[in-house]
Amino acid sequence: GENVEQHPSTLSVQEGDSAVIKCTYSDSASNYFPWYKQELGKRPQLIIDIRSNVGEKKDQRIAVTLNKTAKHFSLHITETQPEDSAVYFCAASRPGGGADGLTFGKGTHLIIQP
Amino acid sequence: GAVVSQHPSRVICKSGTSVKIECRSLDFQATTMFWYRQFPKKSLMLMATSNEGSKATYEQGVEKDKFLINHASLTLSTLTVTSAHPEDSSFYICSARDYGRQGLLYEQYFGPGTRLTVT
Repeated sequence: GENVEQHPSTLSVQEGDSAVIKCTYSDSASNYFPWYKQELGKRPQLIIDIRSNVGEKKDQRIAVTLNKTAKHFSLHITETQPEDSAVYFCAASRPGGGADGLTFGKGTHLIIQP
Repeated sequence: GAVVSQHPSRVICKSGTSVKIECRSLDFQATTMFWYRQFPKKSLMLMATSNEGSKATYEQGVEKDKFLINHASLTLSTLTVTSAHPEDSSFYICSARDYGRQGLLYEQYFGPGTRLTVT
């Protein structure tokens, strides 16, 4: 089955700086890669996703890049703000290909220092 | 739109009893729902994929007789933890996919989760 590795486990950045979280996956057939933000005790919230036919996607301060050859994808958050502090999870799946459910990375605790 | 609810939000039960958790898609039809489990400060682990009108598909290592899943309608899936033990204490979260939205086949919407404590 799919295995998703996520680094770092904890990331502390100064407010206004950029944050980068990286993930690798093992199943070359995976074709959907979402990123979720989860605050303590709350449900995961989708912040951005990318499909395997695209190399990069951006939504305001958030961007995701995908390298299919290397099987890794990254989340980039620019101009970080205190409200960006949370746990971020990457995930991979193969919708319609027998692996519809998401395989999650272990999470990154992002801390924005004021 | 695309709201998923879960009930109850918290439940405490005694060891040996069974607990049912409901997952509902409130404003869309979900032919597929998913059940995840999350331990404190850990990641989400997929337990099973629930398909409306058919048997659930369980992930390796998940006991189907212990975690009974029923998806009898397009808006409701239930997870029943049978003969619960303290090690079953966890945060259970469901998600649903909205097949009705063009281009959103892949996105999963998560419920708020159910905190189960077995004493």
